[in-house]
Amino acid sequence: QQQVKQSPQSLIVQKGGISIINCAYENTAFDYFPWYQQFPGKGPALLIAIRPDVSEKKEGRFTISFNKSAKQFSLHIMDSQPGDSATYFCAASWADGLTFGKGTHLIIQP
Amino acid sequence: KAGVTQTPRYLIKTRGQQVTLSCSPISGHRSVSWYQQTPGQGLQFLFEYFSETQRNKGNFPGRFSGRQFSNSRSEMNVSTLELGDSALYLCASSSLAGGANEQFFGPGTRLTVL
Repeated sequence: QQQVKQSPQSLIVQKGGISIINCAYENTAFDYFPWYQQFPGKGPALLIAIRPDVSEKKEGRFTISFNKSAKQFSLHIMDSQPGDSATYFCAASWADGLTFGKGTHLIIQP
Repeated sequence: KAGVTQTPRYLIKTRGQQVTLSCSPISGHRSVSWYQQTPGQGLQFLFEYFSETQRNKGNFPGRFSGRQFSNSRSEMNVSTLELGDSALYLCASSSLAGGANEQFFGPGTRLTVL
């Protein structure tokens, strides 16, 4: 049972554009929603995280939008750069370990 | 602060063998979680240790086990290896117990089972 569904699987965006990755969850007990970035040969690195008491959180070029009623959250990368090319994972948790989405392979074309 | 370290980085074993992986968390962190990453299943939670006690366990067979020492370092053991155990094994440390806290991942141990 996949509790966190992530889309799209892959995404190509032009340099300077906006990259948008979406996730949907099923378990209403989840109360922590982080996004991770992973480069080949490296472990995931935390980008930004949100809790369900806020609808949006922004850190630099990265923004999480959170819709509690729809059980959805998304990552927006503004002014996307070639260095942002990586795999992005959404995740959710409450008391247990993180439940991850399947990942989005993002390519930023120069 | 030094990050999470994992040893070894690469490992090749044959079916039926057992393997032990090691993880040293960030200094001061008492929670260590383990995850398995495969192309097919993605990132899956194995278990979490906090103050030498297993707090949570994911949906993996009993062949997967772990422990944590008093200095918060953790080891993960897989017995009777199967081909499907080939994966990147990641450990993550956190200052607080439970998944709903900032977790810092190590670079992982790449296990290949032949």
